[in-house]
Amino acid sequence: AQTVTQSQPEMSVQEAETVTLSCTYDTSENNYYLFWYKQPPSRQMILVIRQEAYKQQNATENRFSVNFQKAAKSFSLKISDSQLGDTAMYFCAFMKPPPGANNLFFGTGTRLTVIP
Amino acid sequence: DADVTQTPRNRITKTGKRIMLECSQTKGHDRMYWYRQDPGLGLRLIYYSFDVKDINKGEISDGYSVSRQAQAKFSLSLESAIPNQTALYFCATSDPSGGNHEQFFGPGTRLTVL
Repeated sequence: AQTVTQSQPEMSVQEAETVTLSCTYDTSENNYYLFWYKQPPSRQMILVIRQEAYKQQNATENRFSVNFQKAAKSFSLKISDSQLGDTAMYFCAFMKPPPGANNLFFGTGTRLTVIP
Repeated sequence: DADVTQTPRNRITKTGKRIMLECSQTKGHDRMYWYRQDPGLGLRLIYYSFDVKDINKGEISDGYSVSRQAQAKFSLSLESAIPNQTALYFCATSDPSGGNHEQFFGPGTRLTVL
């Protein structure tokens, strides 16, 4: 099984500030996909951002961006201009491409609190 | 209406009882998954299905069974529930044919086994 490590169980950030969540993974695959999912108190899993390993350009979605370092097997999430609604658990996830289960391997999550 | 629904949303049951968790989707996806979330462990794969005739075990399938009644429905059963199956259960769907590998999750079922 693939291993995804999130070394920060909890983090906090002041509203409007920037925060970076860390994620590393272990794989022998050359092509794969990486995701960050957000889980607010409602417990719904919401996709924040995705990255294909064959793309060198870092993905960006509004206030969310990633720093993808393929050689280092690192995939960090940066949240800019943090908002109270960003308070949630954040999960980093890895997916091998087809064939196969094409399922997600999740890290253990980082609980982010945005402080007013 | 939600694209992926799960019933029930919450369930309390007793050790030894049989229980079924249901998942329905209107996204038209062939691939469906069941994950389990435990505190501090993230989500782990229980079973997955690529169509009604294709069902496969995941990482932690012991103590569970599934049924794919139709493309849109994928049920998870606990034949004889035990307390360590207390967890949050998620159903997910995907359609990678267009290159989009996103998985779409249901709202989850919180199961407590006493």
